Amino acid sequence: GESVGLHLPTLSVQEGDNSIINCAYSNSASDYFIWYKQESGKGPQFIIDIRSNMDKRQGQRVTVLLNKTVKHLSLQIAATQPGDSAVYFCAEVRGGSEKLVFGKGTKLTVNP
Amino acid sequence: DAGVIQSPRHEVTEMGQEVTLRCKPISGHNSLFWYRQTMMRGLELLIYFNNNVPIDDSGMPEDRFSAKMPNASFSTLKIQPSEPRDSAVYFCASSIRRQEQYFGPGTRLTVT
Repeated sequence: GESVGLHLPTLSVQEGDNSIINCAYSNSASDYFIWYKQESGKGPQFIIDIRSNMDKRQGQRVTVLLNKTVKHLSLQIAATQPGDSAVYFCAEVRGGSEKLVFGKGTKLTVNP
Repeated sequence: DAGVIQSPRHEVTEMGQEVTLRCKPISGHNSLFWYRQTMMRGLELLIYFNNNVPIDDSGMPEDRFSAKMPNASFSTLKIQPSEPRDSAVYFCASSIRRQEQYFGPGTRLTVT
């Protein structure tokens, strides 16, 4: 049969706008949730993480929100810049393991 | 500081040939991970080591794949014999903090 590739969700924003990238997770036993950024031709790069007992964590221009009730994770990027254009992956670490389980990714395009 | 080093960066080989991918983790990191990334399946963990010992190899596709870590500064991923469906980008990552993995630039493998 015909193979089907992953169709990444895409988000297109204007430079200077704020971006919100969303992710749903399924495992309540995960104790860390993480966001990675992957630029074209490069390996994924750690952005920020959040422990499962927290709701919000802020970094430089980025904020991660965790809603355990609906198993939802989001990454907010303030004042988005062209250099933020990349694929963003959420990942989770399950308790007692070092194994990261990655989501499918969202492609962010920042228009000048 | 040098990050994770992978070699070769690109490998083109014929079906049936043996392929060896190499990785040098960041000095001082005690965990090492091998991932495969394809459009169809996304980013998949193949195997990871902690203190040079394989901990979880449940992601290794089949017996054609093997990985070793003879010391703290070197690991190999071998495919023998290679098949066209093994074509992918293979990443090595290392960490000292389980949720923050540092990825290498990847090896793009093409099996014809």
